Amino acid sequence: NAGVTQTPKFRILKIGQSMTLQCTQDMNHNYMYWYRQDPGMGLKLIYYSVGAGITDKGEVPNGYNVSRSTTEDFPLRLELAAPSQTSVYFCASTRVGSYNEQFFGPGTRLTVL
Amino acid sequence: AQSVAQPEDQVNVAEGNPLTVKCTYSVSGNPYLFWYVQYPNRGLQFLLKYITGDNLVKGSYGFEAEFNKSQTSFHLKKPSALVSDSALYFCAVRDMISGNTPLVFGKGTRLSVIA
Repeated sequence: NAGVTQTPKFRILKIGQSMTLQCTQDMNHNYMYWYRQDPGMGLKLIYYSVGAGITDKGEVPNGYNVSRSTTEDFPLRLELAAPSQTSVYFCASTRVGSYNEQFFGPGTRLTVL
Repeated sequence: AQSVAQPEDQVNVAEGNPLTVKCTYSVSGNPYLFWYVQYPNRGLQFLLKYITGDNLVKGSYGFEAEFNKSQTSFHLKKPSALVSDSALYFCAVRDMISGNTPLVFGKGTRLSVIA
């Protein structure tokens, strides 16, 4: 199992550009999540999904969009990049069962200039 | 609402000494509690979890954590720290009755083990 994979590892965007952060898991997990990590701020939930075709907003969804067309993939879209979106983005997944831990990808470091 | 507090931004400890990283939580019902570790430029790695049963939970790399319901705490411990334990540690909680809601994370505690 590769676990949770994310691409790209690094990206620099100009203000106003758009991009998609890719996330794939091969563990057949129903639940998937997107977090952003800012220095000293811990992890903040952007969006999550409980299964294909179902998504929900987290704590900081503004400026982002997601889709979940398959169990494996959960891409995060930035439409109009802003400097405030400079962060490290983590995708995670978990099995059904509230006692189960979340598995994290390696992260994407995004800089918006 | 669920919340987690990690009261220390930074913990410094000498190699070979015991270490403790503190975590307190707040949930409506009974908690599921987790500890994760993050090494530089890496994703979060699961260390251990408390579901039910024995209050002392053992996890990866010699770490353990003690669940204390009366103090609503779940402190991470290790008897003898290694320099390689230096990393960022996150505590997380989920309410047992809330289903597969996303984990709520603390802000993290940076552990520095000095040789």
